[in-house]
Amino acid sequence: AQSVAQPEDQVNVAEGNPLTVKCTYSVSGNPYLFWYVQYPNRGLQFLLKYITGDNLVKGSYGFEAEFNKSQTSFHLKKPSALVSDSALYFCAVRGALGSQGNLIFGKGTKLSVKP
Amino acid sequence: DAGITQSPRHKVTETGTPVTLRCHQTENHRYMYWYRQDPGHGLRLIHYSYGVKDTDKGEVSDGYSVSRSKTEDFLLTLESATSSQTSVYFCAISDRGENTEAFFGQGTRLTVV
Repeated sequence: AQSVAQPEDQVNVAEGNPLTVKCTYSVSGNPYLFWYVQYPNRGLQFLLKYITGDNLVKGSYGFEAEFNKSQTSFHLKKPSALVSDSALYFCAVRGALGSQGNLIFGKGTKLSVKP
Repeated sequence: DAGITQSPRHKVTETGTPVTLRCHQTENHRYMYWYRQDPGHGLRLIHYSYGVKDTDKGEVSDGYSVSRSKTEDFLLTLESATSSQTSVYFCAISDRGENTEAFFGQGTRLTVV
């Protein structure tokens, strides 16, 4: 069965420092991986996705993610964090064929960026 | 937010009453989903639809039903609300299956007292 794990409930970073939010996955077949961000009292916003090709994927707001097949990971990164990046981040994987491509989410990681 | 409207945005209801949440899209996307978000659980799929009158169960479908009579509308009904259904409910849409992202509505905060 497909699953996603976000091992950290919270990540704390100082403004200007690089940030990493971790995600590992388990999927049969080719993985389709996604990152979303949720600001307080808002819906989820799509950041980026990995479908195939280059292992480094660039997305919105300066975020990028590195796909590592051997480690089954898809970590979200940003070279220089901003206070405004503080939010809840979700990693997701598409479900198996026959499940109509349903997104399966991790439990989320709260990112806190301090000035 | 990509052409998705959820209504109501907030609702307080009593245990045992039926409740219907509505998701309306203007994108003409084929797939529609209902998720619930609870602390410590992330988002969990309740039901989804892959076309008009085509729906199926998700991970946490007990106590919920759905209907999709038009491409643009996807209704979620709590047949007899319980306190365990207090949650934030999100509707999502996507154009195709596996390699396309889904877009989310603003959410409905439901409290069952």
